[in-house]
Amino acid sequence: DTAVSQTPKYLVTQMGNDKSIKCEQNLGHDTMYWYKQDSKKFLKIMFSYNNKELIINETVPNRFSPKSPDKAHLNLHINSLELGDSAVYFCASSGRRQPPYNEQFFGPGTRLTVL
Amino acid sequence: GNSVTQMEGPVTLSEEAFLTINCTYTATGYPSLFWYVQYPGEGLQLLLKATKADDKGSNKGFEATYRKETTSFHLEKGSVQVSDSAVYFCALGTNTGNQFYFGTGTSLTVIP
Repeated sequence: DTAVSQTPKYLVTQMGNDKSIKCEQNLGHDTMYWYKQDSKKFLKIMFSYNNKELIINETVPNRFSPKSPDKAHLNLHINSLELGDSAVYFCASSGRRQPPYNEQFFGPGTRLTVL
Repeated sequence: GNSVTQMEGPVTLSEEAFLTINCTYTATGYPSLFWYVQYPGEGLQLLLKATKADDKGSNKGFEATYRKETTSFHLEKGSVQVSDSAVYFCALGTNTGNQFYFGTGTSLTVIP
């Protein structure tokens, strides 16, 4: 059973296009996250939602817009893609009912390449 | 504030060598500590964790002890294998506010 899933796994697109990445978790967690991993493997948190409500919104261009239709889904829409958006994007969730409450469970990642 | 400082890589070891990857943290309150591993082309997987001081997390021959007095959570393995080649991330999770902090990652390559 897949705990955190993302689609697509690979996304290749032209500069200026708009694209979306979808994430779903079947763990019953309340909190979901989007991370960006650059070519040096550095992980940067972008957004966090708790029960469909935005709770973390790091300094990210407003071309990036997360949407959480329900607490099991957190999608990421990116407008006007730029070369610098090329990275691997990871979705994660947390919400254990016992410590450590915020252990993160990660999806397999979406490798975005902007040409 | 909260942060994690992790030993910079890359680290290259021969098979069966001893591994230590250093991790220190600063935190307000009493965080939980984690090591995650990322194998090539894959997402992050939890390797081990510790929720309070003096706890030892262990998995797949890896160990790390939560040391409050030195604010450290160093990762160790007695004898590495080629299959351990991956990027290792130390992380801290606060017990309030859902905050989570990753170190910069340490790339490990084990050669036969």
